[in-house]
Amino acid sequence: DARVTQTPRHKVTEMGQEVTMRCQPILGHNTVFWYRQTMMQGLELLAYFRNRAPLDDSGMPKDRFSAEMPDATLATLKIQPSEPRDSAVYFCASGPDRLRWAVNEQFFGPGTRLTVL
Amino acid sequence: KNEVEQSPQNLTAQEGEFITINCSYSVGISALHWLQQHPGGGIVSLFMLSSGKKKHGRLIATINIQEKHSSLHITASHPRDSAVYICAVRHTGTASKLTFGTGTRLQVTL
Repeated sequence: DARVTQTPRHKVTEMGQEVTMRCQPILGHNTVFWYRQTMMQGLELLAYFRNRAPLDDSGMPKDRFSAEMPDATLATLKIQPSEPRDSAVYFCASGPDRLRWAVNEQFFGPGTRLTVL
Repeated sequence: KNEVEQSPQNLTAQEGEFITINCSYSVGISALHWLQQHPGGGIVSLFMLSSGKKKHGRLIATINIQEKHSSLHITASHPRDSAVYICAVRHTGTASKLTFGTGTRLQVTL
């Protein structure tokens, strides 16, 4: 049963600390997405990758957030330094993207619940 | 004005009722997704459609591209259908980028 995995599932940290969230996409999927969900804003796209290359990270605060795919089996989202307003659930999703403009489904991971004190 | 608007925001129904959730959007799209988020937080993709209608069990999704509107219907609702239902659109010309509605919280009671 292939699924997207995320670690950690929960993270509590103090303001100013570095936070790294990890995602393992479904094997064979070549698009990976990072979303943030808050009560106020709902779901927002932070960044997405196709074949490990970042295609769009316009939703991400550049000064403190960074997203990478060191290899096809790992995507990371890093916040440095973290702030209380970063408290949210961060979802990773992956999908097959066989054709450039094809309409493809996304499979969501369970999310990382981040609390910054 | 949000690019994707859902109504209602909250919905309470009794078991067995027919439920409709609406989604309107203001941008050109190549596809529309309906997602279900369980009380535990997990998100599941229910439908992805670009025209017409799709059916899966008791769930039916329709889309009218000309009117920029989609509906999600649940027939014979059940308490296990209680969840947040989220509409998301894929903008024309973007390979995979989604913009989300704020969700409809559904509570089905016995």
